Amino acid sequence: EAQVTQNPRYLITVTGKKLTVTCSQNMNHEYMSWYRQDPGLGLRQIYYSMNVEVTDKGDVPEGYKVSRKEKRNFPLILESPSPNQTSLYFCASSMRGLSSRYDNSPLHFGNGTRLTVT
Amino acid sequence: DAKTTQPNSMESNEEEPVHLPCNHSTISGTDYIHWYRQLPSQGPEYVIHGLTSNVNNRMASLAIAEDRKSSTLILHRATLRDAAVYYCINTGANSKLTFGKGITLSVRP
Repeated sequence: EAQVTQNPRYLITVTGKKLTVTCSQNMNHEYMSWYRQDPGLGLRQIYYSMNVEVTDKGDVPEGYKVSRKEKRNFPLILESPSPNQTSLYFCASSMRGLSSRYDNSPLHFGNGTRLTVT
Repeated sequence: DAKTTQPNSMESNEEEPVHLPCNHSTISGTDYIHWYRQLPSQGPEYVIHGLTSNVNNRMASLAIAEDRKSSTLILHRATLRDAAVYYCINTGANSKLTFGKGITLSVRP
């Protein structure tokens, strides 16, 4: 089944303790992205990747890192989490990439990771 | 990225049609118009997309203005399961695919 898988679904941690949220897709998609969702603010993009080793900042990248060493995985790294990073996180992927051939391809979202930083 | 604006919320009655508007006045000629929806406690899901012509699929219809500066997502017969947040975004070459706050649709029984 084609899907975007995020792990873990729920995570409670303490300030400053490094953590990684994994994201994996099995659709050979070139484009991957991370969003955070907070009440009243909608979905805000953190980082995105147009292909392997090609990443760029979204609208709210501060405090986050990403890597794209292989096509299927796009982990989100919080080196020193803070309480203001408590949020619901979504990973998404799409066929679109550096070529414009698939610009109309839809995004596929994971089920989300609810992170609480105390 | 072309910015989209949507009303914050809309209410509908069950089994009646719903028209959800979206303005995208800065859309470029090659940007597609995508709609997604997010049901409670779930990730967003794709609904429909178009470029210039109106589009229909099993979930909804998309009406695109002739100047492409606005579009309308049409749910022909709203059901309680259609209560969700609906997002309109523009996508194009090198676009970041940024979402906004979306429009919250409530459906009354």
